[in-house]
Amino acid sequence: DAGVTQSPTHLIKTRGQHVTLRCSPISGHKSVSWYQQVLGQGPQFIFQYYEKEERGRGNFPDRFSARQFPNYSSELNVNALLLGDSALYLCASSLGVAPETQYFGPGTRLLVL
Amino acid sequence: AQSVSQHNHHVILSEAASLELGCNYSYGGTVNLFWYVQYPGQHLQLLLKYFSGDPLVKGIKGFEAEFIKSKFSFNLRKPSVQWSDTAEYFCAVIANSGGYQKVTFGIGTKLQVIP
Repeated sequence: DAGVTQSPTHLIKTRGQHVTLRCSPISGHKSVSWYQQVLGQGPQFIFQYYEKEERGRGNFPDRFSARQFPNYSSELNVNALLLGDSALYLCASSLGVAPETQYFGPGTRLLVL
Repeated sequence: AQSVSQHNHHVILSEAASLELGCNYSYGGTVNLFWYVQYPGQHLQLLLKYFSGDPLVKGIKGFEAEFIKSKFSFNLRKPSVQWSDTAEYFCAVIANSGGYQKVTFGIGTKLQVIP
């Protein structure tokens, strides 16, 4: 079975731009979570979606938003990019909401210049 | 606020040595506890988890962890490490309040096992 897939793998943007990251969960998984991992830190929780509804949110500004589609794939959008948004963005999928084991994708590495 | 502390950021051990990685969390309600591992060049993957029941949980590759509620701890142990255990280890807590989740990871511990 295919694992969690994310696209693109790498991305370079400039300050002020907008970015969209995509995630496809493992087949049969209905929940997707997004994390930001800055070098030297653990993953920071951004959002969790289940059945297209937001079911969890971390401490991130409103510039960060996400949505989940009927096929359970998900997008993370970040507006007005800042240098500090440079990070590895991880997507994880799980069968349901909680408590569930999350399966992580390879991540999208975003560099903001 | 929910938080997770991993006290050892970088650990170096010789093969066959015993391992214990500390994890403490702060949260007043019911939590679900996880240890994840990231081998070099690979994705984060689950090592073990605790939801309820026996506080001593066993995971893959000979790892185990003990949940001590009174100490808010969930330390990871392995009696004898191997070179292949070289990786970064993350402790994580999931708290569920009214169907809404908050997930918190620790900063991670880099383990280097010397042959």
